[in-house]
Amino acid sequence: DVVMTQTPVSLSVSLGGQVSISCRSSQSLVHNNGNTYLSWYLQKPGQSPQLLIYKVSNRFSGISDRFSGSGSGTDFTLKISRVEPDDLGVYYCGQGTQYPNTFGAGTKLELK
Amino acid sequence: EVQLVESGEGLVQPGSSMKLSCVASGFTFSNYGMNWIRQAPKKGLEWIALIYYDSSSKYYADSVKGRFTISRDNSKNTLYLEMNSLRSEDTAMYYCAKGALTTRVPHFDYWGQGVMVTVSS
Repeated sequence: DVVMTQTPVSLSVSLGGQVSISCRSSQSLVHNNGNTYLSWYLQKPGQSPQLLIYKVSNRFSGISDRFSGSGSGTDFTLKISRVEPDDLGVYYCGQGTQYPNTFGAGTKLELK
Repeated sequence: EVQLVESGEGLVQPGSSMKLSCVASGFTFSNYGMNWIRQAPKKGLEWIALIYYDSSSKYYADSVKGRFTISRDNSKNTLYLEMNSLRSEDTAMYYCAKGALTTRVPHFDYWGQGVMVTVSS
């Protein structure tokens, strides 16, 4: 299985600040069809996960442009700018290039 | 608005069986692969099962293979997960999640609110 490693485990941020979360995969996430199936999810406290970013850098419907994804191959980053209270929770990266789909262990974003 | 509503949560003894359901609305259910994903208490996300849009193929995580069965009824817009020989390590919140395509799952674009399954004597 593809192992997804997220860093850091937790992050403290001030409102209005900017943060970056790293996600590395144990194998290249470039599919035979040329697409890279790396996605980001946010699980707010007491809620189910929601999709933020898919295929590395595509924002899902309704997601603020304060969220941006980048990377290639095995190394990916989620950046959140102008952090708002509603951004707090646990962020997960996930891969859909190889079966089975796997997720990182999560990065908890908290207020400083 | 896409909605996925799971049901069937509860407390069961080890070795017993349980069936979860997920009713979908707001999209053409029969056009998409559907999944079950679980989250043990205070833990991360674990994909456990996928069923293609037309039920032609089903895939399982090794942790549940041979014990769990995913199925769907497109006439009822409903996804199921039948769980047998339950173990304490199956204790988790179970989420129904829509795949972005008919078959393979590049990502999960909508998730249900989840149902809690507790396996304990």
